[in-house]
Amino acid sequence: GAGVSQSPRYKVAKRGQDVALRCDPISGHVSLFWYQQALGQGPEFLTYFQNEAQLDKSGLPSDRFFAERPEGSVSTLKIQRTQQEDSAVYLCASSFRVRTEAFFGQGTRLTVV
Amino acid sequence: GIQVEQSPPDLILQEGANSTLRCNFSDSVNNLQWFHQNPWGQLINLFYIPSGTKQNGRLSATTVATERYSLLYISSSQTTDSGVYFCAVIRYGQNFVFGPGTRLSVLP
Repeated sequence: GAGVSQSPRYKVAKRGQDVALRCDPISGHVSLFWYQQALGQGPEFLTYFQNEAQLDKSGLPSDRFFAERPEGSVSTLKIQRTQQEDSAVYLCASSFRVRTEAFFGQGTRLTVV
Repeated sequence: GIQVEQSPPDLILQEGANSTLRCNFSDSVNNLQWFHQNPWGQLINLFYIPSGTKQNGRLSATTVATERYSLLYISSSQTTDSGVYFCAVIRYGQNFVFGPGTRLSVLP
């Protein structure tokens, strides 16, 4: 596609439920990033992939968060046993290489009730 | 890690006015981007500008990498310019670090 696509756009989960958020990067982009943005804050780094390799997961807030990119294209961010503090917008970005211009998707707004 | 500061935190303008937004960063960087986050939350790319000056219509940006700052100029502001402007930097293959943003409101 022409841009980074994320789905779903909105997700409401009951506390304790597992969720999966999808990111389709721009075709041919090697680098893929996930960010979390709380209301009124700037995006905070979660994890980074280069092709299928997860090179940095230092930003994942707990072991309930898991990300994968098995074929070096589509990526999934999974959150297990969701908590209210997980409510945020989750943004995905891709770039041709790590230091080149990055493009963001529209984000998934997760609300945990 | 690298620190990114933006000023001012909030800015209110009358339509047609000009403004300058500033981004300071604490260490050398390989990439710097300016984004506009619209009211629907989409981060729109404005400039990819690790150094030098670029212009795109009413917007222009300058990065002085040796002095560790970047400026975003908005001329003849319009109500559609409202939103939050973020500066983000990346250093030596690390992840993007975002500043706290400047919230701009342009009044008709």
